[in-house]
Amino acid sequence: QSMLTQPPSASGTPGQRVTISCSGSSSNIGTYSVAWYQQVPGTAPKLLISSNDQRPSGVPDRFSGSKSGTSASLAISGLQSEDEAKYFCATCDDSLNGDWVFGGGTKLTVL
Amino acid sequence: QVQLVQSGAEVRKPGASVKVSCKASGFTFTGYYFYWLRQAPGQGLEWMGWLNPNSGATHYAQKFQGRVTMTRDTSITTVYMELDKLKSDDTAVYYCASSLVVDAFDFWGQGTLVTVSS
Repeated sequence: QSMLTQPPSASGTPGQRVTISCSGSSSNIGTYSVAWYQQVPGTAPKLLISSNDQRPSGVPDRFSGSKSGTSASLAISGLQSEDEAKYFCATCDDSLNGDWVFGGGTKLTVL
Repeated sequence: QVQLVQSGAEVRKPGASVKVSCKASGFTFTGYYFYWLRQAPGQGLEWMGWLNPNSGATHYAQKFQGRVTMTRDTSITTVYMELDKLKSDDTAVYYCASSLVVDAFDFWGQGTLVTVSS
C-alpha cells in the first residue's frame, strides 16, 4: 500500500484538460515538495515537475503542478496522444526519516 | 551529454546475489548523489537508497538495510548496487538515477531487469 494515493486510471480526449491527484499526509506532502514523473511502457521514468510546480527544461508548458495542504495535482492541458503514459507522484516522508516515497501511479488513456 | 548506462539483464536463483552497475558520463561524477530505485512488473516505483560518490557514504531505505550495498569506483565513474539473499519478489527493473539540476530524479539509467526464479 503506497503512502501516496493516486487514482489508478484517468482518461481524456485530444485537446482536453485532465487532472491527476495525489493524496498524502502531514508527514509527506504536508511537509515536503512534490515531484511528478511520466513513464511510457518499457522506458525509464521522466521528470515532469519538481518542487510542486517547476518544469525542467524541455517539458512542455501543457504540464503544470500544484500543491495544497496534503494533496498535489498534475494538470495536462491540450491533451495529445503522446501523453498516454503512467504518471507517478513522489515526495519524502518524515516517518521514513526523509526517504522518498511514490504514489502507485495513474494510467492515462487518450481516447 | 549526461548519460547513465546500466549493465544488462540478470537471472538469479533465490538466495543468490546480484550486482548492477551504472556508468555515468557527461557531468562531474563526484559532484552529485546517485540513487537506486526499482519497479516490480506492473507495479509502482520503490526507492532503495543513495550513494555519495565523493565520500562513499550511503543511506538505505529501511526495507533493504542488511541486504543492499551501494558502492562506487571513481576511476571509471561507475556506481554499483548489490542486493543479497534474493527472493522471487525482488524480480524487478532496477534503475540508477541522479539529481543534477533540481531536487528530484532528473536523470535516469535505462534500467536493468533482474529476474529471481528457481
